[in-house]
Amino acid sequence: DIQMTQSPSSLSASVGDRLTITCRASQSIRSNLNWYQQKPGKAPNLLISVASSLQSGVPSRFSGSGSGTDFTLTISSLQPEDFATYYCQQSYTIPPTFGGGTKVEIK
Amino acid sequence: QVQLVQSGAEVKKPGSSVKVSCKASGGTFSSYTISWVRQAPGQGLEWMGRIIPIFGTADYAQQFQGRVTITADESTSTAYMELSNLGSEDTAVYYCARDLVSGMTTVVTLGSWGQGTLVSVSS
Repeated sequence: DIQMTQSPSSLSASVGDRLTITCRASQSIRSNLNWYQQKPGKAPNLLISVASSLQSGVPSRFSGSGSGTDFTLTISSLQPEDFATYYCQQSYTIPPTFGGGTKVEIK
Repeated sequence: QVQLVQSGAEVKKPGSSVKVSCKASGGTFSSYTISWVRQAPGQGLEWMGRIIPIFGTADYAQQFQGRVTITADESTSTAYMELSNLGSEDTAVYYCARDLVSGMTTVVTLGSWGQGTLVSVSS
C-alpha cells in the first residue's frame, strides 16, 4: 500500500495567517491526491481533488499544488471556520490511503 | 446533490457481527461506487472497501478481507457493510461515501459522505 505522510500533525495559528500543510507519498502518485476537511463530530468534506481542483462551494482561499510525491494544501488567510483537521488521500491506486491528518487549532 | 443517510449507533459484543446501512437519495445510485471508511476514536481515516451497485462488484482492503462484506440493493438505493468477528479495536465511526465520478476505476475520490455510524464493541 502507498503510505501518505502529513506534516505537521498539528499546529496553532491565528485568524488571518497563511497556512501550509504538506503531504508526501511513499511513491509517485502523479496528481492523484485529494484533500478533505473534517470538523469535530462531522464527516470529512472534500475540498480539493486531483491535487489542485477546488470543489464547488469551497472558498478560494484554499489551494492545492504538487505532483509526484510531494503536495501542499495552502490556506491563504485563515478564517474561524477553518479550524479543523485536514487529511490528504491518494487516489492513484487501490486501496486509497489517507495521511494521518493535520489538526489546525486556534492560537 | 446526493444525500447518504446511515443507520443508527450500535453496541456489540466481542465476536459478534454488525451490519450498517447507507441509503442514498437525490441522485443516481447504481453507477457510482460506495466506499466504507472508518475512524477509530481520535484517529485517522481508514478505507475498508467499496461496491459499485450496478455490477454488485466489491473490493476490500487486505486487512479486512474475510471479515467484511459490502453489498448493495439497487431497488432501495441502499448499501450495506457487514463486519464480523468484532473486537474492541473495531470500535469506530463507520462512514459510507460516494465517489465523485461514476464508474469503477482505481481512482477513489469521496465527494459525498454519510453522517457516520458509531459502532461500539464492549463486553
